[in-house]
Amino acid sequence: QVTLRESGPALVKPTQTLTLTCTFSGFSLSTSGMCVSWIRQPPGKALEWLALIDWDDDKYYSTSLKTRLTISKDTSKNQVVLTMTNMDPVDTATYYCARIPSGSGSCLDYWGQGTLVTVSS
Amino acid sequence: QSVLTQPPSVSGAPGQRVTISCTGSSSNIGAGYDVHWYQQLPGTAPKLLISNNSNRPSGVPDRFSGSKSGTSASLAITGLQAEDEAGYYCHSYDSSLSGAVFGGGTKLTVL
Repeated sequence: QVTLRESGPALVKPTQTLTLTCTFSGFSLSTSGMCVSWIRQPPGKALEWLALIDWDDDKYYSTSLKTRLTISKDTSKNQVVLTMTNMDPVDTATYYCARIPSGSGSCLDYWGQGTLVTVSS
Repeated sequence: QSVLTQPPSVSGAPGQRVTISCTGSSSNIGAGYDVHWYQQLPGTAPKLLISNNSNRPSGVPDRFSGSKSGTSASLAITGLQAEDEAGYYCHSYDSSLSGAVFGGGTKLTVL
Protein backbone atom coordinates (compact mmCIF):
# COMPACT_ATOMS: atom_id res chain seq x y z
CA GLN A 1 0.00 0.00 0.00
CA VAL A 2 1.49 3.29 -1.13
CA THR A 3 1.21 6.24 1.24
CA LEU A 4 2.85 9.65 1.42
CA ARG A 5 2.67 12.13 4.27
CA GLU A 6 3.90 15.72 4.36
CA SER A 7 5.20 17.29 7.55
CA GLY A 8 6.57 20.68 8.48
CA PRO A 9 5.70 23.94 10.17
CA ALA A 10 2.19 25.29 9.82
CA LEU A 11 3.37 28.87 10.23
CA VAL A 12 6.52 30.59 9.02
CA LYS A 13 7.53 34.23 9.09
CA PRO A 14 8.38 36.25 6.00
CA THR A 15 12.02 35.84 4.88
CA GLN A 16 12.37 32.55 6.77
CA THR A 17 13.26 29.24 5.13
CA LEU A 18 10.61 26.53 4.93
CA THR A 19 11.60 22.90 5.26
CA LEU A 20 9.04 20.22 4.39
CA THR A 21 9.48 16.47 4.65
CA CYS A 22 7.62 13.86 2.62
CA THR A 23 7.70 10.47 4.33
CA PHE A 24 6.50 7.63 2.16
CA SER A 25 5.92 3.90 2.29
CA GLY A 26 4.96 1.14 -0.11
CA PHE A 27 7.67 1.89 -2.67
CA SER A 28 11.37 2.61 -2.89
CA LEU A 29 12.89 5.72 -4.41
CA SER A 30 15.86 3.60 -5.41
CA THR A 31 13.71 1.71 -7.92
CA SER A 32 14.60 2.67 -11.47
CA GLY A 33 12.15 5.20 -12.90
CA MET A 34 10.58 6.17 -9.59
CA CYS A 35 10.18 9.87 -8.79
CA VAL A 36 8.65 12.13 -6.14
CA SER A 37 7.31 15.61 -6.86
CA TRP A 38 6.24 18.55 -4.74
CA ILE A 39 3.16 20.56 -5.75
CA ARG A 40 1.44 23.43 -3.97
CA GLN A 41 -2.00 25.00 -4.02
CA PRO A 42 -2.75 28.48 -2.61
CA PRO A 43 -6.17 28.70 -0.97
CA GLY A 44 -8.88 28.68 -3.63
CA LYS A 45 -6.34 28.57 -6.46
CA ALA A 46 -4.83 26.09 -8.90
CA LEU A 47 -2.14 23.50 -8.46
CA GLU A 48 1.46 24.58 -9.11
CA TRP A 49 4.32 22.15 -9.70
CA LEU A 50 7.45 22.92 -7.68
CA ALA A 51 10.12 20.25 -7.94
CA LEU A 52 10.92 16.63 -8.72
CA ILE A 53 13.63 14.20 -7.67
CA ASP A 54 14.19 10.86 -9.33
CA TRP A 55 15.67 7.51 -8.35
CA ASP A 56 19.03 8.55 -9.82
CA ASP A 57 19.11 11.74 -7.69
CA ASP A 58 18.45 13.99 -10.67
CA LYS A 59 16.56 17.10 -9.64
CA TYR A 60 14.23 19.39 -11.55
CA TYR A 61 12.71 22.69 -10.45
CA SER A 62 9.99 25.11 -11.44
CA THR A 63 11.63 27.77 -13.61
CA SER A 64 10.00 30.59 -11.67
CA LEU A 65 11.06 29.27 -8.23
CA LYS A 66 14.29 27.41 -8.83
CA THR A 67 16.51 29.98 -7.15
CA ARG A 68 14.60 29.40 -3.91
CA LEU A 69 14.07 25.62 -3.97
CA THR A 70 16.18 22.64 -3.01
CA ILE A 71 14.95 19.05 -3.15
CA SER A 72 16.80 16.09 -1.68
CA LYS A 73 16.15 12.50 -0.70
CA ASP A 74 17.14 10.05 2.00
CA THR A 75 16.44 6.67 0.48
CA SER A 76 17.20 4.80 3.70
CA LYS A 77 14.55 6.80 5.56
CA ASN A 78 12.05 6.86 2.66
CA GLN A 79 11.97 10.64 2.79
CA VAL A 80 12.12 13.54 0.36
CA VAL A 81 12.85 17.01 1.69
CA LEU A 82 11.97 20.33 0.07
CA THR A 83 13.39 23.62 1.26
CA MET A 84 12.13 27.00 0.09
CA THR A 85 14.04 30.11 1.06
CA ASN A 86 12.90 33.68 1.58
CA MET A 87 9.26 32.84 2.27
CA ASP A 88 6.63 35.47 1.47
CA PRO A 89 2.89 35.70 2.26
CA VAL A 90 2.15 34.76 -1.38
CA ASP A 91 3.74 31.38 -0.63
CA THR A 92 0.86 30.57 1.71
CA ALA A 93 -0.51 27.30 0.33
CA THR A 94 -1.17 23.65 0.91
CA TYR A 95 1.96 21.75 -0.07
CA TYR A 96 1.63 18.22 -1.45
CA CYS A 97 4.12 15.52 -2.29
CA ALA A 98 3.18 12.88 -4.85
CA ARG A 99 4.70 9.82 -6.49
CA ILE A 100 5.48 9.30 -10.15
CA PRO A 101 5.69 5.54 -10.63
CA SER A 102 8.22 3.82 -12.83
CA GLY A 103 7.20 3.56 -16.45
CA SER A 104 4.25 5.91 -16.13
CA GLY A 105 5.71 8.88 -17.87
CA SER A 106 4.80 11.71 -15.58
CA CYS A 107 1.47 11.00 -13.91
CA LEU A 108 1.18 11.54 -10.16
CA ASP A 109 -0.55 8.40 -9.00
CA TYR A 110 -0.46 8.78 -5.23
CA TRP A 111 -0.62 12.02 -3.28
CA GLY A 112 -0.11 12.91 0.34
CA GLN A 113 -2.91 14.62 2.25
CA GLY A 114 -1.10 17.95 2.05
CA THR A 115 0.13 20.34 4.71
CA LEU A 116 -1.05 23.94 4.95
CA VAL A 117 1.73 26.46 5.37
CA THR A 118 0.84 30.03 6.29
CA VAL A 119 3.38 32.79 5.88
CA SER A 120 2.71 35.64 8.26
CA SER A 121 4.52 37.80 10.75
CA GLN B 1 -2.12 32.52 -15.73
CA SER B 2 -1.78 28.77 -16.24
CA VAL B 3 0.12 27.29 -19.17
CA LEU B 4 -2.77 24.87 -19.78
CA THR B 5 -6.15 26.56 -20.18
CA GLN B 6 -9.31 25.08 -18.70
CA PRO B 7 -12.79 26.59 -18.37
CA PRO B 8 -13.26 27.87 -14.81
CA SER B 9 -16.57 26.08 -14.43
CA VAL B 10 -18.94 23.61 -16.07
CA SER B 11 -22.27 22.27 -14.92
CA GLY B 12 -24.76 19.59 -15.76
CA ALA B 13 -27.80 17.82 -14.44
CA PRO B 14 -27.63 14.32 -12.97
CA GLY B 15 -27.37 11.73 -15.72
CA GLN B 16 -26.05 14.19 -18.29
CA ARG B 17 -22.68 14.25 -20.04
CA VAL B 18 -20.15 17.04 -19.60
CA THR B 19 -16.74 17.66 -21.07
CA ILE B 20 -13.83 19.68 -19.73
CA SER B 21 -11.24 20.96 -22.16
CA CYS B 22 -7.55 21.53 -21.58
CA THR B 23 -5.82 23.67 -24.19
CA GLY B 24 -2.05 23.82 -24.44
CA SER B 25 0.53 24.65 -27.07
CA SER B 26 3.29 23.25 -29.24
CA SER B 27 5.66 23.02 -26.26
CA ASN B 28 3.43 20.79 -24.17
CA ILE B 29 0.37 18.86 -25.37
CA GLY B 30 1.12 19.65 -29.02
CA ALA B 31 4.64 18.30 -28.63
CA GLY B 32 3.22 14.90 -27.79
CA TYR B 33 3.53 14.94 -24.03
CA ASP B 34 0.92 12.95 -22.16
CA VAL B 35 -1.97 14.58 -20.36
CA HIS B 36 -3.22 13.42 -16.98
CA TRP B 37 -6.41 14.40 -15.15
CA TYR B 38 -7.06 14.70 -11.43
CA GLN B 39 -10.23 15.05 -9.39
CA GLN B 40 -10.12 17.13 -6.23
CA LEU B 41 -13.08 16.80 -3.90
CA PRO B 42 -13.57 19.73 -1.51
CA GLY B 43 -10.98 19.78 1.26
CA THR B 44 -9.06 16.78 -0.04
CA ALA B 45 -5.92 16.05 -2.04
CA PRO B 46 -6.13 15.56 -5.80
CA LYS B 47 -6.74 12.01 -6.98
CA LEU B 48 -5.52 10.58 -10.29
CA LEU B 49 -8.50 10.13 -12.61
CA ILE B 50 -6.99 9.60 -16.08
CA SER B 51 -3.35 8.88 -16.87
CA ASN B 52 -1.49 9.13 -20.16
CA ASN B 53 -4.36 10.78 -22.05
CA SER B 54 -6.95 8.04 -21.77
CA ASN B 55 -6.05 5.38 -19.20
CA ARG B 56 -8.28 4.87 -16.18
CA PRO B 57 -6.51 3.69 -13.02
CA SER B 58 -8.08 0.77 -11.21
CA GLY B 59 -11.17 1.83 -9.32
CA VAL B 60 -12.07 4.81 -11.51
CA PRO B 61 -15.56 4.34 -13.00
CA ASP B 62 -15.80 4.01 -16.76
CA ARG B 63 -18.06 7.08 -16.74
CA PHE B 64 -14.80 9.01 -16.88
CA SER B 65 -12.83 9.08 -20.13
CA GLY B 66 -10.01 11.13 -21.60
CA SER B 67 -8.84 12.01 -25.08
CA LYS B 68 -6.17 14.11 -26.72
CA SER B 69 -5.87 15.71 -30.13
CA GLY B 70 -3.39 18.27 -31.39
CA THR B 71 -2.72 20.85 -28.71
CA SER B 72 -5.77 19.97 -26.60
CA ALA B 73 -7.14 17.27 -24.37
CA SER B 74 -10.59 16.59 -22.96
CA LEU B 75 -12.13 14.87 -20.00
CA ALA B 76 -15.63 13.51 -20.47
CA ILE B 77 -17.96 12.49 -17.66
CA THR B 78 -21.14 10.62 -18.55
CA GLY B 79 -24.06 9.77 -16.30
CA LEU B 80 -23.29 12.69 -13.97
CA GLN B 81 -23.72 11.98 -10.30
CA ALA B 82 -23.86 14.33 -7.33
CA GLU B 83 -20.58 12.88 -6.04
CA ASP B 84 -18.81 14.09 -9.20
CA GLU B 85 -19.08 17.66 -7.97
CA ALA B 86 -15.41 18.59 -7.57
CA GLY B 87 -12.48 20.43 -9.08
CA TYR B 88 -10.75 18.86 -12.09
CA TYR B 89 -7.18 19.58 -13.21
CA CYS B 90 -5.20 18.62 -16.29
CA HIS B 91 -1.43 18.11 -16.12
CA SER B 92 1.32 17.70 -18.68
CA TYR B 93 4.97 18.49 -19.33
CA ASP B 94 6.28 21.62 -21.02
CA SER B 95 9.58 21.47 -22.86
CA SER B 96 10.17 25.23 -22.88
CA LEU B 97 9.74 25.35 -19.09
CA SER B 98 11.45 21.98 -18.58
CA GLY B 99 8.88 21.01 -16.02
CA ALA B 100 5.38 19.91 -15.26
CA VAL B 101 2.45 22.24 -15.85
CA PHE B 102 -1.13 22.21 -14.61
CA GLY B 103 -4.32 23.70 -15.91
CA GLY B 104 -6.10 26.37 -13.92
CA GLY B 105 -8.73 23.88 -12.78
CA THR B 106 -12.42 23.49 -13.57
CA LYS B 107 -15.16 23.39 -10.96
CA LEU B 108 -17.91 20.97 -11.88
CA THR B 109 -21.34 21.69 -10.44
CA VAL B 110 -24.02 19.02 -10.57
CA LEU B 111 -27.33 20.88 -10.78
